[in-house]
Amino acid sequence: EDQVTQSPEALRLQEGESSSLNCSYTVSGLRGLFWYRQDPGKGPEFLFTLYSAGEEKEKERLKATLTKKESFLHITAPKPEDSATYLCAANRNTGGFKTIFGAGTRLFVKA
Amino acid sequence: DAGVIQSPRHEVTEMGQEVTLRCKLISGHNSLFWYRQTMMRGLELLIYFNNNVPIDDSGMPEDRFSAKMPNASFSTLKIQPSEPRDSAVYFCASRDIGYTGELFFGEGSRLTVL
Repeated sequence: EDQVTQSPEALRLQEGESSSLNCSYTVSGLRGLFWYRQDPGKGPEFLFTLYSAGEEKEKERLKATLTKKESFLHITAPKPEDSATYLCAANRNTGGFKTIFGAGTRLFVKA
Repeated sequence: DAGVIQSPRHEVTEMGQEVTLRCKLISGHNSLFWYRQTMMRGLELLIYFNNNVPIDDSGMPEDRFSAKMPNASFSTLKIQPSEPRDSAVYFCASRDIGYTGELFFGEGSRLTVL
């Protein structure tokens, strides 16, 4: 069965304290691994897409990496405004492209 | 361009009532996804359409749930009869069918069934 698993469920950091979020996946016919950010009361907002092992993408304090079994979202010197839920998702080719999500990591960054 | 538009944003209803949630896709997108989000289960895929045709409805919980795309830009998700366990935030998202990239989400419809 296709599965996307994220850890930890919640992460509390001090401002400036770098860390990583993990997303492990078992998806047959993977066609893209995605990271989204979700703020309270809002829909998920796209951050990155990774398509092949070894690929990396960066945006401000965030960097996403991909291996054959997992993806990491590295947060360097986070700020309070980085506090949000970060969702990992995988596209699977099922005739269309089905996108399934992990449960998310709730990040809290304290000033 | 306007994003994905969902209505209503909030719905409070009583058990047994019919609920209809609505979604307008981004112009030019022709792939539509309905998700349900709860604290316990996260973001669950209910059903998705390509070119108005349902491709995978394996996530629809039971026969009380139905989804339609009467045209290329609009979709409805109906729950009849509603139950308290249906309380959740329902999101729709759209994407260009020829593109395997990101989904564009609406702001969600928060449903409370008393």
